[in-house]
Amino acid sequence: QVQLQQWGAGLLKPSETLSLSCVVNGESFSSFYWTWLRQPPGQGLEWIGEINHSGSTNYNPSLKGRVTLSIDTSKKQFSLSLISVTAADMAVYYCTRRPLRGGSYNWFDPWGQGTLVTVSS
Amino acid sequence: DIQMTQSPSSLSTSVGDRVTITCRASQSIRSYLNWYQQKPGKAPTLLIYATSVLQNGVPSRFGGSGSGTDFTLSISSLQPEDVATYYCQQSYNFPYTFGQGTKLDI
Repeated sequence: QVQLQQWGAGLLKPSETLSLSCVVNGESFSSFYWTWLRQPPGQGLEWIGEINHSGSTNYNPSLKGRVTLSIDTSKKQFSLSLISVTAADMAVYYCTRRPLRGGSYNWFDPWGQGTLVTVSS
Repeated sequence: DIQMTQSPSSLSTSVGDRVTITCRASQSIRSYLNWYQQKPGKAPTLLIYATSVLQNGVPSRFGGSGSGTDFTLSISSLQPEDVATYYCQQSYNFPYTFGQGTKLDI
């Protein structure tokens, strides 16, 4: 059964760069888009973006320009970088995946355990 | 962006109740609608995909229906372990968007 394990710095100062990584245990790495989402405290879920094994990306326009996803297929690992963080970027960040060839039949499963990122001076 | 609106935002229920949560999209999303369950302090888990298909291991008391703009998640007989927040999500186009969540209490 596939598992996603994520890690990264949990406390940042305003203007710093958020960096998180997620490693995939099990199953094919090439059959999915690898995805990041976030959830501000007490709020709903926001899709950040996704990357496939070839490095093709899709980003949420609300974050475009600040977010970069990268992938290392040899390590079955993908990463999120978000520059110039502010208090508005405080959230639990999750990694997950969606099927690569589902057309519009896409869903997120499974999810990483989540990483709380706090932004404070 | 496609806006997803859930109702109610919260619901106080009793064990054994039939529960219905609705999700409305701001435009037609055909049947590209998923439901997730999130328990306190945990990551969301996939409950239903493509409007009505139960993810492996999900109890049969859960069901999904709808198409176009209006969708429903139902729980036929609420169990204590169903206390959670439920989110709908559209996969029709980018950016993928979620409803604001429906919190179930017992």
